[in-house]
Amino acid sequence: DTEVTQTPKHLVMGMTNKKSLKCEQHMGHRAMYWYKQKAKKPPELMFVYSYEKLSINESVPSRFSPECPNSSLLNLHLHALQPEDSALYLCASSQDKTNYGYTFGSGTRLTVV
Amino acid sequence: SQKIEQNSEALNIQEGKTATLTCNYTNYSPAYLQWYRQDPGRGPVFLLLIRENEKEKRKERLKVTFDTTLKQSLFHITASQPADSATYLCALDNFNKFYFGSGTKLNVKP
Repeated sequence: DTEVTQTPKHLVMGMTNKKSLKCEQHMGHRAMYWYKQKAKKPPELMFVYSYEKLSINESVPSRFSPECPNSSLLNLHLHALQPEDSALYLCASSQDKTNYGYTFGSGTRLTVV
Repeated sequence: SQKIEQNSEALNIQEGKTATLTCNYTNYSPAYLQWYRQDPGRGPVFLLLIRENEKEKRKERLKVTFDTTLKQSLFHITASQPADSATYLCALDNFNKFYFGSGTKLNVKP
């Protein structure tokens, strides 16, 4: 299995809702990442997990809460989002990034109404 | 401030020609640089990685160069095909933070 799987593919939520995005990989990668991508912009780093511990938080608002329950799973919990948070949320993983780069999922298209 | 800039938002070329994309960076000292392809609504796909001590790297019709003095990488697609049409992103790893350039949308016309 050489994929990063993200669910759901599409999500519409209200500003008072609580929802979660899920990311799964079975490649044995020990680093996992969340990125946010707005239309016609490059992906922007949000969080980095290394060996299931949060190592980097790029000053992301607390309405986004990451979680890494085990080495294969990464969640992003969403609460009280704003319409400007609507974007494509990408998950990635890496093991030997100096040789093989990062493996990205197809993303979750989030719309906040 | 740190920047990663790619030469143009869009590049239009004719099928069969060589596409050349540019990535310039400032205030980084990357040990390596990566190139990715992204199709609409999809995640980026890793293409090539080049290290600071490598001048050139090739993979099939793709070629990447890396000039740390100029702080520039060039990405070439030879014998381009309409299927190569996509957005191409360069990316740098800076202290375990991975940053993307602005991207170039390549359109290969038949």
